[in-house]
Amino acid sequence: GAVVSQHPSRVICKSGTSVKIECRSLDFQATTMFWYRQFPKQSLMLMATSNEGSKATYEQGVEKDKFLINHASLTLSTLTVTSAHPEDSSFYICSALGLAGRREQFFGPGTRLTVL
Amino acid sequence: GQQLNQSPQSMFIQEGEDVSMNCTSSSIFNTWLWYKQDPGEGPVLLIALYKAGELTSNGRLTAQFGITRKDSFLNISASIPSDVGIYFCAGQLLSGNTPLVFGKGTRLSVIA
Repeated sequence: GAVVSQHPSRVICKSGTSVKIECRSLDFQATTMFWYRQFPKQSLMLMATSNEGSKATYEQGVEKDKFLINHASLTLSTLTVTSAHPEDSSFYICSALGLAGRREQFFGPGTRLTVL
Repeated sequence: GQQLNQSPQSMFIQEGEDVSMNCTSSSIFNTWLWYKQDPGEGPVLLIALYKAGELTSNGRLTAQFGITRKDSFLNISASIPSDVGIYFCAGQLLSGNTPLVFGKGTRLSVIA
């Protein structure tokens, strides 16, 4: 099956620092990846759509300068949380959409970000 | 953003019982997906549905794409303790690279 990895799985950082989260499709090429944020006991909230080689499309209310997304290759998208603050603490999950017309999205295992 | 109406929100059942959960929407979807999420993990795809009326099974799981394209259900037969988790329905409004719309999830607890 399609495997998506995320790194790191957990990160704790000080307020004001920037954190980069990587999302990789391991056994398929993903033209499109999505970044979600999930608060405890809630559903997934879409943050942005990342297309390889082009600018990401951000959902309303998501600051693009705060959450930088780069999709430089067909197997890697990165999310950088800039100048992180405690309210940015959350569970961040990426998903990848494969080529050849497949409509399933496969999710990574998530990254738990804690900002002190 | 748009969300699907997923019910029930939570269920407590005895091991061996069957489970049913469903999602409805006011919009027509081209794709329905069902995911399971364990604590601290990403969602894992259980079943994908592409055609109205489609009924698909994956082991003890069965899901159907409603004929009106505005609803879907997931059944789990003969539940076991490892079925515990949160189940999400997700729909895609258009084909291609459009994002999924998620339900709020059904939290399933299985009592041995």
